Amino acid sequence: AQKVTQAQTEISVVEKEDVTLDCVYETRDTTYYLFWYKQPPSGELVFLIRRNSFDEQNEISGRYSWNFQKSTSSFNFTITASQVVDSAVYFCALSERDAGNMLTFGGGTRLMVKP
Amino acid sequence: DAGVTQSPTHLIKTRGQHVTLRCSPISGHKSVSWYQQVLGQGPQFIFQYYEKEERGRGNFPDRFSARQFPNYSSELNVNALLLGDSALYLCASSLQGRLGRGGREETQYFGPGTRLLVL
Repeated sequence: AQKVTQAQTEISVVEKEDVTLDCVYETRDTTYYLFWYKQPPSGELVFLIRRNSFDEQNEISGRYSWNFQKSTSSFNFTITASQVVDSAVYFCALSERDAGNMLTFGGGTRLMVKP
Repeated sequence: DAGVTQSPTHLIKTRGQHVTLRCSPISGHKSVSWYQQVLGQGPQFIFQYYEKEERGRGNFPDRFSARQFPNYSSELNVNALLLGDSALYLCASSLQGRLGRGGREETQYFGPGTRLLVL
């Protein structure tokens, strides 16, 4: 069965610091999909990134970057020069090939960026 | 374009009652999924519907049921409410019902959720 672990329940940084959110996953499937979602206080989950297991290329989008390491089953998320608006709960999620689009979420990491 | 909408936004019920939550997907989206998010935890998958057929069911009791209508909107029903059913219920929609090579048509977009409190 699939599982996603986000060991950091809460992280607090000062604005402009870099911060990395860890995500470790478990799956028996050779084809799977990894995601990061952001959940601001309003509650709505906002899609950030998707990575396919067959595409190990890392990605950068502005201040956000993602490091996919198949060898360690990790999909970490780094925010460079954090801002107060980055404060939210961040979820890592996994979907397996034959699971429709069912997402298995980790427990989330609450990020607090202080001015 | 309007995003995923859910109603009601908040709801208070007592134990033993039943509740119906509603979801309208993004226009053109045929897949709707429901998730339960208990306070302090990650969302848990309840159901997926695609083209009005159930495509997946999570580990929830039979008190939970859902359906999808011809216009692709969906309802989640919970009978015999328990205190532990208190949660944020999230609906997500996507154009496609499964994942493949990628693309926007496979991305799931979430609604703002319905906060259910069972007393």
